[in-house]
Amino acid sequence: KAGVTQTPRYLIKTRGQQVTLSCSPISGHRSVSWYQQTPGQGLQFLFEYFSETQRNKGNFPGRFSGRQFSNSRSEMNVSTLELGDSALYLCASSLGVVGTEAFFGQGTRLTVV
Amino acid sequence: TQLLEQSPQFLSIQEGENLTVYCNSSSVFSSLQWYRQEPGEGPVLLVTVVTGGEVKKLKRLTFQFGDARKDSSLHITAAQPGDTGLYLCAGAGGGSNYKLTFGKGTLLTVNP
Repeated sequence: KAGVTQTPRYLIKTRGQQVTLSCSPISGHRSVSWYQQTPGQGLQFLFEYFSETQRNKGNFPGRFSGRQFSNSRSEMNVSTLELGDSALYLCASSLGVVGTEAFFGQGTRLTVV
Repeated sequence: TQLLEQSPQFLSIQEGENLTVYCNSSSVFSSLQWYRQEPGEGPVLLVTVVTGGEVKKLKRLTFQFGDARKDSSLHITAAQPGDTGLYLCAGAGGGSNYKLTFGKGTLLTVNP
């Protein structure tokens, strides 16, 4: 079956702009989690959506938001971009049960200039 | 806050050598997962360990979950250049906490 698909793969944006990233999970998976990965901080949890509801949230400012659609596809939005938002953004798809395995997409590399 | 500490942070070895990577926490996890990530790609799941004391083998890789479910180790026998990558451990909490907590990873380089 098809894996997790993230689009776009690469993005270059200017400070102050906003950006929307997309994630299509594995068919049948209802949970989508988003992570930010930087060399210094590693993988940091942004939020998790399950059946269109945000179920968990990490410690990121309100500029970071997301949503999930009825087909489980998810989008993540970052407003008023800052240089420090440059990172690899990863989404992970899972069944959403405690301890369940997460499968990652290839990520979106965001560069803010 | 649940934290996972991985060590070493960097490891550079010659082909054929053995190595062990550690993942430690003061928190108990319901399960622990190991991933390998290559540059520019997302992490790929290697194994999930669930039971305290559990040992799983995947070819030359051996994964162990501590008895108290707070720590784990990954041992690679006779490392090969294809094992090069960032190894990440991730713990899943109990209760209603569905998120994964990741360590910062061990960057392994296996030189031919």
